[in-house]
Amino acid sequence: KQEVTQIPAALSVPEGENLVLNCSFTDSAIYNLQWFRQDPGKGLTSLLLIQSSQREQTSGRLNASLDKSSGRSTLYIAASQPGDSATYLCAGLSGGGADGLTFGKGTHLIIQP
Amino acid sequence: DAGITQSPRHKVTETGTPVTLRCHQTENHRYMYWYRQDPGHGLRLIHYSYGVKDTDKGEVSDGYSVSRSKTEDFLLTLESATSSQTSVYFCAISVQGYEQYFGPGTRLTVT
Repeated sequence: KQEVTQIPAALSVPEGENLVLNCSFTDSAIYNLQWFRQDPGKGLTSLLLIQSSQREQTSGRLNASLDKSSGRSTLYIAASQPGDSATYLCAGLSGGGADGLTFGKGTHLIIQP
Repeated sequence: DAGITQSPRHKVTETGTPVTLRCHQTENHRYMYWYRQDPGHGLRLIHYSYGVKDTDKGEVSDGYSVSRSKTEDFLLTLESATSSQTSVYFCAISVQGYEQYFGPGTRLTVT
């Protein structure tokens, strides 16, 4: 059974810093890994999807990497802004397209102005 | 925005009553999912569907049933609601079996 862990559970940094959020998973036969953002009381917004054949994906100031052999993914946020404050979730898909995602419990990020 | 709506958005119900939550999508995606989100547990899969009338159980399916009679609608039913089913429920769709997109959620309180 796939298990996903996110460290740290919470992080507070000054505006402008570059930062890295970590995600680890137990099943290296992961099909893809997806990063989400969730604002308080809101739904999940998909940020990046990395398929198993890929090593990284980039969108604007965000870069996500996937290392299946070590069971790790990282989300890099460049030049952080107060608007980046949210909970970031990573989730792995271990089966084919029909299976659901296995989520980590998230990293609660606060960017101090 | 993947065209996903959920109804109702908020509901308070009493223990023992049946409850049905609806997920509606506008883009005819084949795969649909129901998750629940709870503090300390994160998001967990309840049931999923890979086509009309094709459904299967997820990690926390006890006490829940689903139905999908049309591509666009996926219903989640709590046959007899319990306080442990107080949660936020999210519906999701999968684009071609890959990236998942989530609806806005339904906050359910069972008193």
